[in-house]
Parts: sequence; C-alpha cells; structure tokens
Amino acid sequence: GAVVSQHPSWVICKSGTSVKIECRSLDFQATTMFWYRQFPKQSLMLMATSNEGSKATYEQGVEKDKFLINHASLTLSTLTVTSAHPEDSSFYICSARLEGFNNSPLHFGNGTRLTVT
Amino acid sequence: KQEVTQIPAALSVPEGENLVLNCSFTDSAIYNLQWFRQDPGKGLTSLLLIQSSQREQTSGRLNASLDKSSGRSTLYIAASQPGDSATYLCAVSKGAGTASKLTFGTGTRLQVTL
Repeated sequence: GAVVSQHPSWVICKSGTSVKIECRSLDFQATTMFWYRQFPKQSLMLMATSNEGSKATYEQGVEKDKFLINHASLTLSTLTVTSAHPEDSSFYICSARLEGFNNSPLHFGNGTRLTVT
Repeated sequence: KQEVTQIPAALSVPEGENLVLNCSFTDSAIYNLQWFRQDPGKGLTSLLLIQSSQREQTSGRLNASLDKSSGRSTLYIAASQPGDSATYLCAVSKGAGTASKLTFGTGTRLQVTL
C-alpha cells in the first residue's frame, strides 16, 4: 500500500531557531501534498497545499513567511518552521494522494511533534 | 465554509458491543467522505472512503454510510474490541486533485473496555 514517511517524528528546539520537517511518498509519486497542524485534543487544520514545482497554496491565517514549504520533487515536500516560538509547538502531519487516482484515499504520515522551548 | 461535526465527542463501551459514530457536515456539495483512525501521538490511518455517489462502504467489522442530501455519515463498528480504542475522525473533500483538501471533524474518542 501507499506509504507516506515523515521525519523527524519529534523535535525539540529553542525559541528563535528553524526546524525542517520532511514528508516523503515512499512508493508513489505525488504532485500534491497537504500539511496539517493539530493541537492537543483538537482536529486537524489544513495549513497549506504543497505543489510540486510551484508555490504552495496557504490557507487563510497561515503565515507563508513563517511556514516555508518546498516541493522540489514528486516524492518530497518539506515544511520549515522559521524562527520558531513556543506557540508553534504542535503536531504537524502531512498527507498525499496517489497521482492519477482522484478517488483514492489520502495517505498520512505519522506526524511530527514539535516542541519549542 | 464547510463545517464538520462529530457526535459524541467521547464514547466508552464494553468489549463486544456494536456502536455508531456520527458525522455531520454543513455543505452537501462534497466529492467524497473519508473515515480515519488516529492513535495517540500518531498519524491517521484511512478506514473507509465513500464517494458522493455511494451510500455505504464496508470493510471487515466497519460499515460507513453516507446521506449526502442531509449532510450525514455514520460509522458502524460491530463487535467492538479493545484494539478499536482510538480517535475516529471523519473528513470531507470538495473536489479532486488539488481541490481534494480535507475538512476534518472534531473527532470521537472511543474507548473499548474489557
């Protein structure tokens, strides 16, 4: 089955530093990947849609200069949290769909727990 | 703006019971609806996907139904087991391709006790 790998699974960083999270589709290609954010005991909120070879599309209220997204290949999208602050601490999850299979389910990574101290 | 609500927010049942989780959405113009399972601190596992033209989907002990016109879906779990304990999320998609971003419900935390 389709597998989405996310790395790292958890990271602790100091306030003001930047953190990069990788999302890879291991056995399929994905021109589109999605980045979600989840606060404790809350549902997932879409942050942005990552498009291979072009700029990401950000949801309203999401700072594009703070959450940098790069989708340089058909199997890799990265999310960089720049100048992280404690309020950025959250669970970040990426997802992807099999290319050309619009009726297939979205496949999710295992998430990255970010803690900013 | 699409809003997705799940009832109940939490549920505890003894092992062996059948149960129903509810999901409602405000905009019936959906492309498909998907049910997910999330274990604590983990990502999401897709359980069932129902296209807008379908009424239900089944996988093992799970059965999901969709009433698009009334904006409702249910997830039926038969003969529940302790391993079913998790948070269950429903999500709707408005379209295909890049429009296939999902709007998630608030989730139902299920605990199946011995």
